[in-house]
Amino acid sequence: GIQVEQSPPDLILQEGANSTLRCNFSDSVNNLQWFHQNPWGQLINLFYIPSGTKQNGRLSATTVATERYSLLYISSSQTTDSGVYFCAVLSGAGSYQLTFGKGTKLSVIP
Amino acid sequence: DTAVSQTPKYLVTQMGNDKSIKCEQNLGHDTMYWYKQDSKKFLKIMFSYNNKELIINETVPNRFSPKSPDKAHLNLHINSLELGDSAVYFCASSQGWTGYTFGSGTRLTVV
Repeated sequence: GIQVEQSPPDLILQEGANSTLRCNFSDSVNNLQWFHQNPWGQLINLFYIPSGTKQNGRLSATTVATERYSLLYISSSQTTDSGVYFCAVLSGAGSYQLTFGKGTKLSVIP
Repeated sequence: DTAVSQTPKYLVTQMGNDKSIKCEQNLGHDTMYWYKQDSKKFLKIMFSYNNKELIINETVPNRFSPKSPDKAHLNLHINSLELGDSAVYFCASSQGWTGYTFGSGTRLTVV
């Protein structure tokens, strides 16, 4: 099956710093999504981004499907950005099941 | 209104018991899912259910069975619970490839 690799696995930032999270995938995909799991365990859908660039406030994402990677940018990080960021792709014809990467654990310290 | 709601939030039970987790979505989505998150935070698909078509991940033991009384509900039944079943179980729904929305999770602990 398709492989999804995220880097770095762990990231510690000072509040106000910027960061880039990366997601590589091993095969062509129909869809790619970024999720944030907050410290209380809730999974929030950040972006649906099979290709191109999207922005939402301090967060933006870029997917280059032909080169099989996606980037999530976090600018001016805040302590509320802490948690685990997951990249997930759709694999399998006719299937909407997501294959997740192992995540990047982000800790933003004041 | 919670878009995808699952109950209970916590479930502690003994080995060998049978338990169920309920899930309901009010988004009008056509597909529902169950995912399992293990102790290392790895999320893995268990089932998807779309228009009465069930797609099962081949690694899921047959002790796990999804049941969908209607389009808005997908419950998870687990028979003969084992220690290794301890995890957080997430229900989710989507409209095709978009609008993926997760419930808040059910933390299952088998003792």
